[in-house]
Amino acid sequence: KAGVTQTPRYLIKTRGQQVTLSCSPISGHRSVSWYQQTPGQGLQFLFEYFSETQRNKGNFPGRFSGRQFSNSRSEMNVSTLELGDSALYLCASKYRPTGTEAFFGQGTRLTVV
Amino acid sequence: KNEVEQSPQNLTAQEGEFITINCSYSVGISALHWLQQHPGGGIVSLFMLSSGKKKHGRLIATINIQEKHSSLHITASHPRDSAVYICAVRIYNTDKLIFGTGTRLQVFP
Repeated sequence: KAGVTQTPRYLIKTRGQQVTLSCSPISGHRSVSWYQQTPGQGLQFLFEYFSETQRNKGNFPGRFSGRQFSNSRSEMNVSTLELGDSALYLCASKYRPTGTEAFFGQGTRLTVV
Repeated sequence: KNEVEQSPQNLTAQEGEFITINCSYSVGISALHWLQQHPGGGIVSLFMLSSGKKKHGRLIATINIQEKHSSLHITASHPRDSAVYICAVRIYNTDKLIFGTGTRLQVFP
């Protein structure tokens, strides 16, 4: 069974641009969560989607948004990029939101210059 | 004060040593996860616990719900165990994950 796939693996963008990251969950998993990891703040929860609906949202500005498609694939978008958005963005998939284990992707490393 | 505290932050061991990493939390949780992150970033979920103890190979995880504390033990440590180990708690009723800052483990041959 294929694992969680995140694309692209690496990305370099300039300040002010926008970026879209993709996450394909494990087949059959319908919950996808997104996390940001920076050296200063560690891992922080961004948002979670289940059956195309956002269930939870972390404390991030509105520049960070996401969506989930009917095939459970999810995208997150960051608009008007700032230098501080440079981070490793991880997604995790679960069969359902509660009571099940999360499986993480390899992450997308975003560098904003 | 962070809601999830891990100790130690850094740990160095000789191959074969018994390793313990601790995690304390201050919020109500429905589950606790131990995660392993290798250089390059990918995270592997090691355990999900809501009570008691779990064992997988040389890894053992325990949780004491009353004391709000969990430990991850590695028996007969090996250089390939070198990684960052992260404790994460799932907040009761919201399913949000809050992460500890991680413990960087280096095991030398």
